[in-house]
Amino acid sequence: QVQLVQSGAEVKKPGASVTVSCKASGYTFTSYAVNWVRQAPGQGLEWMGWISTYSGNTNYAQRLQGRVTMTTDTSTNTAYMELRSLRSDDTAVYYCARADDSSGSYSQFDYWGQGSLVTVSS
Amino acid sequence: DIVMTQSPDSLAVSLGEGATLNCKSSQSVLSRFNNKNYLAWYQQKPGQPPKLLIYWASTRESGVPDRFSGSGSGTDFTLTISSLQAEDVAVYYCQQYYSSPLTFGGGTKVEIK
Repeated sequence: QVQLVQSGAEVKKPGASVTVSCKASGYTFTSYAVNWVRQAPGQGLEWMGWISTYSGNTNYAQRLQGRVTMTTDTSTNTAYMELRSLRSDDTAVYYCARADDSSGSYSQFDYWGQGSLVTVSS
Repeated sequence: DIVMTQSPDSLAVSLGEGATLNCKSSQSVLSRFNNKNYLAWYQQKPGQPPKLLIYWASTRESGVPDRFSGSGSGTDFTLTISSLQAEDVAVYYCQQYYSSPLTFGGGTKVEIK
């Protein structure tokens, strides 16, 4: 069965960096893109960006440009999201989510990871 | 950016009654290329990740009960729960995947009256 298993909770100080991992299983990793979505406490969903696991192409949300990097390791079927220069308002649950990548356009997110809480606090 | 606006913010419905959730996009999400609406609905229960319910505005995801249905086109969309069950208590989000940045509505919280 399809599974996306994310890394555990992290506590970081302002200005630090965090890397969240998302290990995929149960499907052909390079046939689906990975999106990253975050959710601040008690708030809604914010799309952070997308990476094609086939080509490595990325598209980041404008407000995170310069602070976020998404990568994949196809040898371990794992996607990574690094966020730098952390601020208190980056405190959130971070999710990876799978999306069909075959049509050349974006698609719905059909499987999600369990979420990784990142807390930014001095 | 396409802004997604959901209404109402919250909704209390009696068990067995119907619920109608609305989602409006600031621009059309209908593709003239394939005549598909790039609109999805997700259900999120406390402490869980979102779960895909509906995509292409009206296609039910495999395994989703048929009491959930999606409708609409262009800029106006609706998620209908035909007969509310206790397990449907959740926050529901619409999302457009027509263009980057992909955007979500603010959510509608559904509770039992």
